[in-house]
Amino acid sequence: QSVLTQPPSASGTPGQRVTISCSGSSSNIGSNTVNWYQQLPGTAPKLLIYTNNQRPSGVPDRFSGSKSGTSASLAISGLQSEDEADYYCAAWDDSLNGPLFGGGTKLTVL
Amino acid sequence: QVQLVQSGAEVKKPGASVKVSCKASGYTVTDYYMHWVRQAPGQGLEWMGWINPNSGGTKSAQKFQGRVTMTRDTSINTAYMELSRLRSDDTAAYHCARGGSVWSGSAADGLDVWGQGTTVTVSS
Repeated sequence: QSVLTQPPSASGTPGQRVTISCSGSSSNIGSNTVNWYQQLPGTAPKLLIYTNNQRPSGVPDRFSGSKSGTSASLAISGLQSEDEADYYCAAWDDSLNGPLFGGGTKLTVL
Repeated sequence: QVQLVQSGAEVKKPGASVKVSCKASGYTVTDYYMHWVRQAPGQGLEWMGWINPNSGGTKSAQKFQGRVTMTRDTSINTAYMELSRLRSDDTAAYHCARGGSVWSGSAADGLDVWGQGTTVTVSS
């Protein structure tokens, strides 16, 4: 598996709750923790969620993560226009011996 | 504050090599793994490899083995990534990103600090 599977796009209106899924396998999500990254247009990625559901300092609690088996998801509640960005999941892959990224999901705030 | 500052954009011809630097500030580079991740225009993130700056040990993705060299200069708190035998499909933004503590015994951790990216354009 070359990448983790994410939907290419997602959308919502301000105030809504949206979720983004991430599917992997036993060698990555199934046996390691999941991290999520947010990439605003023209900027470097930023760590948004680590170890499945932990938020770094400064990340609003509107962002939450979960993991079950070989899948994970990112939830964003109270959607805001500034949340419009690309979101990537990642998990350590035991075969790669490195982090495997999802293909990315472009979130549009309508 | 903790930050990673990378070298400037590069334009290279096919077959050439490029070396990107990543200077750490606000922490000691030997304390954390350093990863290299690239992003082709309009594409997703692709992990290239990591270096343990304390030991100098490296691990690269199979796709880049034989072409990528990751090193560090601890005296100036800087990590480097050199990619050789460049092709047009190596055109991308190359990021360094801080991983977990080398003292944890595992490179598997979130990438919590990212460099701004270095654009490498490969064109004849």
